[in-house]
Amino acid sequence: GENVEQHPSTLSVQEGDSAVIKCTYSDSASNYFPWYKQELGKRPQLIIDIRSNVGEKKDQRIAVTLNKTAKHFSLHITETQPEDSAVYFCAVLTQGGSEKLVFGKGTKLTVNP
Amino acid sequence: NAGVTQTPKFRILKIGQSMTLQCTQDMNHNYMYWYRQDPGMGLKLIYYSVGAGITDKGEVPNGYNVSRSTTEDFPLRLELAAPSQTSVYFCASSSPRLGGGETQYFGPGTRLLVL
Repeated sequence: GENVEQHPSTLSVQEGDSAVIKCTYSDSASNYFPWYKQELGKRPQLIIDIRSNVGEKKDQRIAVTLNKTAKHFSLHITETQPEDSAVYFCAVLTQGGSEKLVFGKGTKLTVNP
Repeated sequence: NAGVTQTPKFRILKIGQSMTLQCTQDMNHNYMYWYRQDPGMGLKLIYYSVGAGITDKGEVPNGYNVSRSTTEDFPLRLELAAPSQTSVYFCASSSPRLGGGETQYFGPGTRLLVL
């Protein structure tokens, strides 16, 4: 089955710096890669996603890049703010038409004021 | 729309007891999922359903059962609760999309403690 590795597990940055989180996956047929943000005690919420027909997608301070050849994708957050502090999960859609996501183990991002 | 709702929010069970975690969505989504999230870990799929009357196992189905009699409801049943089932349980739903990949909307979660 699909295997998703996410790094780093924790990341601490100063406010205003950039943060980068990387994920690798194993199934070259995978074609959908969402990122979820989970604040403490809350539910995961989609922040950005990318499909395999594009290499990069941006939404204000958040961007995701995809390298299908190397089977990895990354989340980039620029000009970080304290409210960006949360756990971020990458996910990969498995193939077979069932819309199952396999999640990475998460990255705890702390933005220090 | 309320989105995805779950009850209860928190429950303490004794070993060997059973309970049903309720999940309802009002977005007319065909696909529904149950995940568990252990402390400091990611989400693991327990069971999923692609429509009423259809369910299938995910990564960690042992100790759980599900049913899907309507589009809206997807209850998760725990039989003979064990301490290893202490976790936060999230229900999610989505619509199928041509080519795959539609946003999964999560419920607020049920925190379960088995003692």
